[in-house]
Amino acid sequence: GESVGLHLPTLSVQEGDNSIINCAYSNSASDYFIWYKQESGKGPQFIIDIRSNMDKRQGQRVTVLLNKTVKHLSLQIAATQPGDSAVYFCAEKGGYNKLIFGAGTRLAVHP
Amino acid sequence: DGGITQSPKYLFRKEGQNVTLSCEQNLNHDAMYWYRQDPGQGLRLIYYSQIVNDFQKGDIAEGYSVSREKKESFPLTVTSAQKNPTAFYLCASSRRQGEGNTEAFFGQGTRLTVV
Repeated sequence: GESVGLHLPTLSVQEGDNSIINCAYSNSASDYFIWYKQESGKGPQFIIDIRSNMDKRQGQRVTVLLNKTVKHLSLQIAATQPGDSAVYFCAEKGGYNKLIFGAGTRLAVHP
Repeated sequence: DGGITQSPKYLFRKEGQNVTLSCEQNLNHDAMYWYRQDPGQGLRLIYYSQIVNDFQKGDIAEGYSVSREKKESFPLTVTSAQKNPTAFYLCASSRRQGEGNTEAFFGQGTRLTVV
């Protein structure tokens, strides 16, 4: 069946360093992927998305990389700040616009 | 301000009671979704609706029911048949597939506790 999973449940970084959060997906037919940020007690917030016809997409301080060969997705956050501390989810768009979420990675930023 | 609103933020239910969680959006989105989130876990799909008066079961629909009588509203009822309802419930909406960017926008969630 379809599944999206993450390699690291917790990531600790120093403020100012770059962060890389990884995600594996299993449905090779998926053509749309999204990264969300969820702060404690709140709903997920959209960060960045990428379609399968792209390998890389950049936003403000964030970059998403897509490797369709190995079905791998990553989120890079440049110059990580304390406000980036949250749980990050990758999601895969399935049929009927269903979003299939992984378990999430907690990012902890230390001063 | 366009957005998606869930209410209440906190909800307490006695065992055996049905409760209804509200979700309203003014983004003019056709598609709406309900997800359940347990502590330290990802989001699991309960029900989704692509258009008014139509909805489909997600992965964990047992013990839940929904209606979609209006485009703006997609209420979720947690019935007494749901054996472990304590969780964080998230509602989302998006454009339909084929209508441009289809990322889902989420509400702020309802935390349901069975007492």
